[in-house]
Amino acid sequence: SQKIEQNSEALNIQEGKTATLTCNYTNYSPAYLQWYRQDPGRGPVFLLLIRENEKEKRKERLKVTFDTTLKQSLFHITASQPADSATYLCALAPNAGNNRKLIWGLGTSLAVNP
Amino acid sequence: DTGVSQDPRHKITKRGQNVTFRCDPISEHNRLYWYRQTLGQGPEFLTYFQNEAQLEKSRLLSDRFSAERPKGSFSTLEIQRTEQGDSAMYLCASPGASTDTQYFGPGTRLTVL
Repeated sequence: SQKIEQNSEALNIQEGKTATLTCNYTNYSPAYLQWYRQDPGRGPVFLLLIRENEKEKRKERLKVTFDTTLKQSLFHITASQPADSATYLCALAPNAGNNRKLIWGLGTSLAVNP
Repeated sequence: DTGVSQDPRHKITKRGQNVTFRCDPISEHNRLYWYRQTLGQGPEFLTYFQNEAQLEKSRLLSDRFSAERPKGSFSTLEIQRTEQGDSAMYLCASPGASTDTQYFGPGTRLTVL
């Protein structure tokens, strides 16, 4: 069956450290993968998109990698801050068929402690 | 603020009542999505519009659910005869024309008592 999985346990890290979140998928050949941030009671906010032919993308303190052999994307937040505390969702666009419908992971909760 | 608005932000209703939610997407975006999200879960796709045409509906969308986008601008999602299992956050999103980045609204939190 097709699945997309994120770390199910909450991640607690100390301020200033690098947070690394994982997104694994099976039985897809995604055209691209996206990462979103979601705060409690609010809609997800787009952060980064990485395409199947890209290995790495950066935006300020954020870095995303995409390994289509391992079927995995890693999301890094460097020099983390308490304001980075949120749930982070990955979503992929399946290559086959309708690319318009994203498949979502359950999200990983990140807490950055001061 | 993503430019996508939803109304109301919160709705509490009794089981069996009908509810209607509204989404106003970014004005130049012709695609619009509805999702449902429950606690600890990612968004679940419900339905998708291209302009006024409803192009896809999830199997999650029972016949109690109906969505419209009559003029290709705002959209409404109606739930008839609500059940407690309908309690969730209902999210609307509109992607850009040249990208599939989803710009989400703030959501409507539905509680069915």
